[in-house]
Amino acid sequence: GAVVSQHPSWVICKSGTSVKIECRSLDFQATTMFWYRQFPKQSLMLMATSNEGSKATYEQGVEKDKFLINHASLTLSTLTVTSAHPEDSSFYICSASDGLAGMRGSEQFFGPGTRLTVL
Amino acid sequence: LAKTTQPISMDSYEGQEVNITCSHNNIATNDYITWYQQFPSQGPRFIIQGYKTKVTNEVASLFIPADRKSSTLSLPRVSLSDTAVYYCLVVNSNSGYALNFGKGTSLLVTP
Repeated sequence: GAVVSQHPSWVICKSGTSVKIECRSLDFQATTMFWYRQFPKQSLMLMATSNEGSKATYEQGVEKDKFLINHASLTLSTLTVTSAHPEDSSFYICSASDGLAGMRGSEQFFGPGTRLTVL
Repeated sequence: LAKTTQPISMDSYEGQEVNITCSHNNIATNDYITWYQQFPSQGPRFIIQGYKTKVTNEVASLFIPADRKSSTLSLPRVSLSDTAVYYCLVVNSNSGYALNFGKGTSLLVTP
């Protein structure tokens, strides 16, 4: 089956520093990748959609200058949290779509998530 | 995006069948009904997807009535490891569309 990995699985950083999270599709080419954020006891909230080779589309309320997304290849997307603050502490999850429509609908493959803690 | 409504939580004993119903009154013609499972501190995992009538796989069954305004996820003989949050989503049949996660149903299975 399709596998998506994320690195790191958890990270602790100091306030004001930047953190990069990688999302990789291991056995398929991901034309579209999505980034979600999930706070404790809450559902996943979509942050942005990125298509390979183009700028990401951010959801309303998500600061594009704070959450930098790069989707430079069909197997890698990165999310950089710039000047992180404690309120950015959350579980960040990426998902990837191989761009194939049909009976599977728009099935997406999710990564295992990255736990970010900002001190 | 069609909005979904499902119970916030459910409890069950091991070995019982669990049915989680989801309503999606505004589902569109080219929308599919998809269910995901999420364990704590993990990404969601695809369970099952259907368009109409009944779909069954090795994990669950999905029942969809003719009007498609609701659906029921059926988990046969649950075990403790089925304790998780279950999300019902309505997704467009074209790929590349973001998923709209609602609050989900937190299922607790006890001995």
